[in-house]
Amino acid sequence: SQTIHQWPATLVQPVGSPLSLECTVEGTSNPNLYWYRQAAGRGLQLLFYSVGIGQISSEVPQNLSASRPQDRQFILSSKKLLLSDSGFYLCAWSRETSSSYNSPLHFGNGTRLTVT
Amino acid sequence: SQQGEEDPQALSIQEGENATMNCSYKTSINNLQWYRQNSGRGLVHLILIRSNEREKHSGRLRVTLDTSKKSSSLLITASRAADTASYFCATVGVSGGYNKLIFGAGTRLAVHP
Repeated sequence: SQTIHQWPATLVQPVGSPLSLECTVEGTSNPNLYWYRQAAGRGLQLLFYSVGIGQISSEVPQNLSASRPQDRQFILSSKKLLLSDSGFYLCAWSRETSSSYNSPLHFGNGTRLTVT
Repeated sequence: SQQGEEDPQALSIQEGENATMNCSYKTSINNLQWYRQNSGRGLVHLILIRSNEREKHSGRLRVTLDTSKKSSSLLITASRAADTASYFCATVGVSGGYNKLIFGAGTRLAVHP
């Protein structure tokens, strides 16, 4: 069966510090990978998605970047965190199929980031 | 911009009652999906309904889709305290490409014992 791991679960970082959140998927190959951010009591904002190694699409211009160094590894980074980067970050994967529109997303348990 | 908008924002009911949540969207879709999120956790996929389907069932869940009104509803029958969670609809636009799901702000459901 497929599993997705996301860490750390919580993180408190000062403004201006770097960030690295990691997400790995097991039990599947060539997944589509996603990073979402959720503000308190709000919906999810798609930040990045990737359909393959080194292929990253950014949905929103911001202080963050993403990388996919391996097929099942997705990393969210920042060189200098801002207060507005606080939020709940969720990694997700979906199957790469000929009909990708119909693939549900499978989410990790998220990282609660607080920038102080 | 958000594609799906859930209504109501919050819903409070007693165990055993039915809970109905609605979702409206703006553009043509290939499918609409419903997800559940327990507090502080990731989202869990509940059900997917394709644009050519009008109704779908899964256990105590019933989802309807009206593409002419660009709306969907999620019905949870005989609710339980364990159903307490936030529920989100998500859509993929016809011209969206890949699988870029756009989520609404969600409905917070509280089921009281």
